[in-house]
Amino acid sequence: QKEVEQNSGPLSVPEGAIASLNCTYSDRVSQSFFWYRQYSGKSPELIMSIYSNGDKEDGRFTAQLNKASQYVSLLIRDSQPSDSATYLCAVRNQGGKLIFGQGTELSVKP
Amino acid sequence: EAGVAQSPRYKIIEKRQSVAFWCNPISGHATLYWYQQILGQGPKLLIQFQNNGVVDDSQLPKDRFSAERLKGVDSTLKIQPAKLEDSAVYLCASSLDGIGNEQFFGPGTRLTVL
Repeated sequence: QKEVEQNSGPLSVPEGAIASLNCTYSDRVSQSFFWYRQYSGKSPELIMSIYSNGDKEDGRFTAQLNKASQYVSLLIRDSQPSDSATYLCAVRNQGGKLIFGQGTELSVKP
Repeated sequence: EAGVAQSPRYKIIEKRQSVAFWCNPISGHATLYWYQQILGQGPKLLIQFQNNGVVDDSQLPKDRFSAERLKGVDSTLKIQPAKLEDSAVYLCASSLDGIGNEQFFGPGTRLTVL
């Protein structure tokens, strides 16, 4: 079992829709969770971090964490073509190392 | 504030050749990371430095990869000799310290091994 798993996609949504990106992790004691956005040919950029169960909202982005289910998600409301990118889920494990999933490619169609 | 700098941006070599990558972190950042990102995968940590000491190099293929951060600022990652499977983007990142602070990534070096 991979430490951090994501569907590779591509996930295609129409402009203005809600995009839902999901991630599961295996290390039950993980405490820190991150979503990075990576445009093609560019480096990852942190867009959200979440540490407690529940929802955390920042503009059009909402991160959701359920530690009991070992599940973290990212919702993007009112998706725009400029949101088209690969979204990487990252989990800080017990040893302090950041473990990345393989990323989900999102395509927002005008 | 200047970001993480890396050079070169692109490198093409033949297998069994050697290559070196350079990284200069954000000023004042004590922690420096080297990641390998193979196409279609997420970044994988190769080595983490805290100042000029190694914190984690458990996933560094030490028979061919080496890295140093002699003065606790910039760092060099070397591959000698390179294999085809080393083709990847090598990302350098830095953070204020290694405990929970955001990691800022450099633009990466795209290595192609022929």
